[in-house]
Amino acid sequence: EADIYQTPRYLVIGTGKKITLECSQTMGHDKMYWYQQDPGMELHLIHYSYGVNSTEKGDLSSESTVSRIRTEHFPLTLESARPSHTSQYLCASSETGGLNYGYTFGSGTRLTVV
Amino acid sequence: GQNIDQPTEMTATEGAIVQINCTYQTSGFNGLFWYQQHAGEAPTFLSYNVLDGLEEKGRFSSFLSRSKGYSYLLLKELQMKDSASYLCAVRDNYGQNFVFGPGTRLSVLP
Repeated sequence: EADIYQTPRYLVIGTGKKITLECSQTMGHDKMYWYQQDPGMELHLIHYSYGVNSTEKGDLSSESTVSRIRTEHFPLTLESARPSHTSQYLCASSETGGLNYGYTFGSGTRLTVV
Repeated sequence: GQNIDQPTEMTATEGAIVQINCTYQTSGFNGLFWYQQHAGEAPTFLSYNVLDGLEEKGRFSSFLSRSKGYSYLLLKELQMKDSASYLCAVRDNYGQNFVFGPGTRLSVLP
C-alpha cells in the first residue's frame, strides 16, 4: 500500500544544531506540504510544493527551508534550532486533479529543542 | 480572510450520537473535508463534501450548506475509540491548499 513516511519520529536536540526532517511518499503525488502543530492546537502551513523545483512559504512564518529535487522527497531543514521550534511537524501530500481526496499525512516528527 | 470555527471540546456517552459543527468564511471554496486526529498521531481523512447535502459513510455522516457556510459531522453509535480531535478543513478555489479549523476535541465516556 502506498504511503508517506517521516523520519525521525521523535528528536531531541540542542540549541544551535542544524537538523533535517525527512519526508518521502510513494504515491507519485505532485503536491507536498509541511505543517506545524503544537499540542492541542491547530495545524499551520509552513511550506508547500506543487512539483519538482517548486517550493513556497505557507501562512505561518518559519525559519525553516525546504527543497524538492525529487517528486517523492520533501525534506525540511532548520539551520539553527531554537527552543521556539519545539513542536510537531507533519508532512502531507495530495494528488493533482484528485479533487475528492484530501491530504495523506505522515506520522509526524515531534521535535524538542533544549 | 480565512476563518473556520468549531467548538473546542465536546463530551458524549458511548453508544450515543454527537454532532460537531463547523462554520467557515473563506475567500474561496472547493470542498469541505473532515479529518480525525488521535492524540499524538497524524490526521486521517474521514469525509468530503463539495455539494450541499448529506454524505453518509458507515457510522459517520457529513453535511454541507454552502450558502450558510456551514457543515457538521455526525457520529452515531459512539465508541471509546472515537475519542479524538475532529478537524474541519476547507479547500481553496484552485483546489490547491487547505485551511484547517482549530479542531474539536471529543471525549467519549463509558
